[in-house]
Amino acid sequence: GENVEQHPSTLSVQEGDSAVIKCTYSDSASNYFPWYKQELGKRPQLIIDIRSNVGEKKDQRIAVTLNKTAKHFSLHITETQPEDSAVYFCAASKGNTGKLIFGQGTTLQVKP
Amino acid sequence: DTEVTQTPKHLVMGMTNKKSLKCEQHMGHRAMYWYKQKAKKPPELMFVYSYEKLSINESVPSRFSPECPNSSLLNLHLHALQPEDSALYLCASSQVRRGQGYTFGSGTRLTVV
Repeated sequence: GENVEQHPSTLSVQEGDSAVIKCTYSDSASNYFPWYKQELGKRPQLIIDIRSNVGEKKDQRIAVTLNKTAKHFSLHITETQPEDSAVYFCAASKGNTGKLIFGQGTTLQVKP
Repeated sequence: DTEVTQTPKHLVMGMTNKKSLKCEQHMGHRAMYWYKQKAKKPPELMFVYSYEKLSINESVPSRFSPECPNSSLLNLHLHALQPEDSALYLCASSQVRRGQGYTFGSGTRLTVV
């Protein structure tokens, strides 16, 4: 079945450094790849997404890259700040079902 | 209005109780979802409604019964739950088109005693 693997499970960086989280998906028909940030006790919030016809997308300090051939996509956060500390989930979906398959999550800690 | 509102925020129920979780959105989204999330785990899909019709049931036990009375409301009726059903229950909505991100509600933290 469909599967999304996410690495690393935990990531600790110094404030100002960059952070990279990587995901691999199994279903080559997947065409939509969102990233969610979930702070402790709060709802997941969509921070950036990418569609299969695009290789890279940026929004200020965050960027997502997609390699369809390798079935990889990655989240890049530059100039990290303590408020970036949270759990980040990647996800993949296909078609019109709206069904998202989530990765297992990465706990990012940004040390001041 | 760009929010998904869930009530109640917290719920404690006994294994013989019947309760309902409610979700409301006024963004014109015609797809609505129920997810279950355990601590430190990703959300797990339970149900998908598209145009008020159930389109996906991820083999959820019948003690969970969803209902979509209209395009803005989604309910989850709970009956005879088990302690292992304790979790954060998240509602989400999106447009019914390829490649649409969800807007999640804040969730209902359910404890079954």
